[in-house]
Amino acid sequence: EADIYQTPRYLVIGTGKKITLECSQTMGHDKMYWYQQDPGMELHLIHYSYGVNSTEKGDLSSESTVSRIRTEHFPLTLESARPSHTSQYLCASSDYRGGDQETQYFGPGTRLLVL
Amino acid sequence: KQEVTQIPAALSVPEGENLVLNCSFTDSAIYNLQWFRQDPGKGLTSLLLIQSSQREQTSGRLNASLDKSSGRSTLYIAASQPGDSATYLCAVFDDSNYQLIWGAGTKLIIKP
Repeated sequence: EADIYQTPRYLVIGTGKKITLECSQTMGHDKMYWYQQDPGMELHLIHYSYGVNSTEKGDLSSESTVSRIRTEHFPLTLESARPSHTSQYLCASSDYRGGDQETQYFGPGTRLLVL
Repeated sequence: KQEVTQIPAALSVPEGENLVLNCSFTDSAIYNLQWFRQDPGKGLTSLLLIQSSQREQTSGRLNASLDKSSGRSTLYIAASQPGDSATYLCAVFDDSNYQLIWGAGTKLIIKP
């Protein structure tokens, strides 16, 4: 079982503030992902990384940025939070096993409310 | 573009019943199909993974099937228990962009 951690779990913040959502995993996985999920809706990929110094944008347009300086750490930053950023953010990681066996391990999520 | 649909969106059944959750996808070019469970306030947990060459996978009271040609998968839960109450998500690992594409989930409530 993979161990993947997210902090904070809940965040209420005012418009215009800069925030960083933290994600760490202890499994040494090369691949990491950030998803956004609204209630009752599907997960949308916003960023992913194949390893250190690798970051890519996902299908969902996002005003956030990510960095991957260490294998275990994949923080997501919003430079200026807006009410439209209110959502749940899920971090995940995976070890490469070949496409037909590859799955992802998820953190508990961060629920963000921007007032 | 791959799309994943789950029906029904919500389901409430008495404890002990067998039930089936449905998932359909539009493009058969997939590496695998996966079923996850999501509990409130928690992340997702992988339940079953069916490789593209496989027809089904079983884990305990759960059985998932895959029919790639018709773009369908089912998750069968036998002898349901209140602890099975959760949202069940289906995702396909798309081989065109090497990403998981998700359905919106089925919210399952098992009544004691």
